[in-house]
Amino acid sequence: EVQLVESGGGLVQPGRSLKLSCLASGFTFSNYGMNWIRQAPGKGLEWVASISSSSSYIYYADTVKGRFTISRDNAKNTLYLQMTSLRSEDTALYYCARHLDFDYWGQGVMVTVSS
Amino acid sequence: DIVMTQAPLSVSVTPGESASISCRSSKSLLHSNGITYVYWYLQKPGKSPQLLIYRMSNLASGVPDRFSGSGSETDFTLKISRVEAEDVGIYYCGQLLENPYTFGAGTKLELK
Repeated sequence: EVQLVESGGGLVQPGRSLKLSCLASGFTFSNYGMNWIRQAPGKGLEWVASISSSSSYIYYADTVKGRFTISRDNAKNTLYLQMTSLRSEDTALYYCARHLDFDYWGQGVMVTVSS
Repeated sequence: DIVMTQAPLSVSVTPGESASISCRSSKSLLHSNGITYVYWYLQKPGKSPQLLIYRMSNLASGVPDRFSGSGSETDFTLKISRVEAEDVGIYYCGQLLENPYTFGAGTKLELK
């Protein structure tokens, strides 16, 4: 059974950093690209970043470019999102999802940016 | 960026009746490989989104065949026949043709 489990969220002050993790199981992680997608409270879905299976290709939404870094460790079956210079508008539920079709999603991890 | 426009934003359906949700993209989602990269997801209350339809018309694993997707290069439809209580939630269309991947604003389906 495919499982994606996010962790690392919490309450953080504006300007600070936070690192999210997504632990994958039930499939060969190193064969799949992965994504981060977020959902602000009461809002719709916003794609954040993508990384290819070997980390050769990485893409970001303009809203996070230069502040967020997506990475992965295929030996640990884990996807990461390093978030720096956090803003209040980054407050959201962050999901990891498997590429190509976003066919599996994690349960999400909440990030709240507030003083 | 490709803009995805959904209509209606909400729909109320009697159980057993059918429902249709429309989605329009600002650019053709037909790739040169012949695949149209439009997707449909359902987010049930308090849950993560789940894939319903991939590449315009393919039913995702485990999804009832009451759901179907169709369309052209820029206009797409999700049809739900014989709506059931478990179908309540917010339906999103999305395009995975090119970065940035984008989603529609969502259509909330509720029961009458």
